[in-house]
Amino acid sequence: SQKIEQNSEALNIQEGKTATLTCNYTNYSPAYLQWYRQDPGRGPVFLLLIRENEKEKRKERLKVTFDTTLKQSLFHITASQPADSATYLCAPEGVSGGYNKLIFGAGTRLAVHP
Amino acid sequence: GAVVSQHPSWVICKSGTSVKIECRSLDFQATTMFWYRQFPKQSLMLMATSNEGSKATYEQGVEKDKFLINHASLTLSTLTVTSAHPEDSSFYICSARDLAGEVQYFGPGTRLTVT
Repeated sequence: SQKIEQNSEALNIQEGKTATLTCNYTNYSPAYLQWYRQDPGRGPVFLLLIRENEKEKRKERLKVTFDTTLKQSLFHITASQPADSATYLCAPEGVSGGYNKLIFGAGTRLAVHP
Repeated sequence: GAVVSQHPSWVICKSGTSVKIECRSLDFQATTMFWYRQFPKQSLMLMATSNEGSKATYEQGVEKDKFLINHASLTLSTLTVTSAHPEDSSFYICSARDLAGEVQYFGPGTRLTVT
């Protein structure tokens, strides 16, 4: 079955450092992959989408890579700030039952300390 | 742009009653909407996919007679939890896919508590 794995442990880093979050997927080949941020008690907020033919995508302090050979995506936040503290969800897209749908990882909780 | 709203944001109901949750795409048309539920400290679990004007497609293990989904227009989908029980208490989140068919935008979620 399709499976998504993200760092299960919380990631604690110092303000100003770069945070790197990992997403590995198995048993399928997504056409694209999306990253979301979720704060407690709130719905996910879309951050970035990267397609299978794109190696890297950037948006302000965010950078996402997509390695279809390793079946892995890395999500980087540079110059991290305490306001970046949240849970980050990886969601590769797959096709099941004739429909495109996102399959979510469990998320990685990031805590940026001043 | 790309705002999805949900109403209500939280609801408390008695066991055995039904609750309706609305999901609207405010500034774009969405041919496809999705309903998820999320338990504390767990990931989002897809419940069903709804396409405007047709029947929803439910994920395995989700009771279609209990979770009624209606997608009557390109900007509105509703989820009705029928005969709610305490085990239905959860955080329900909808999302809408834009017409380009790629990015999914999520609503703020509805906290349902069944007493």
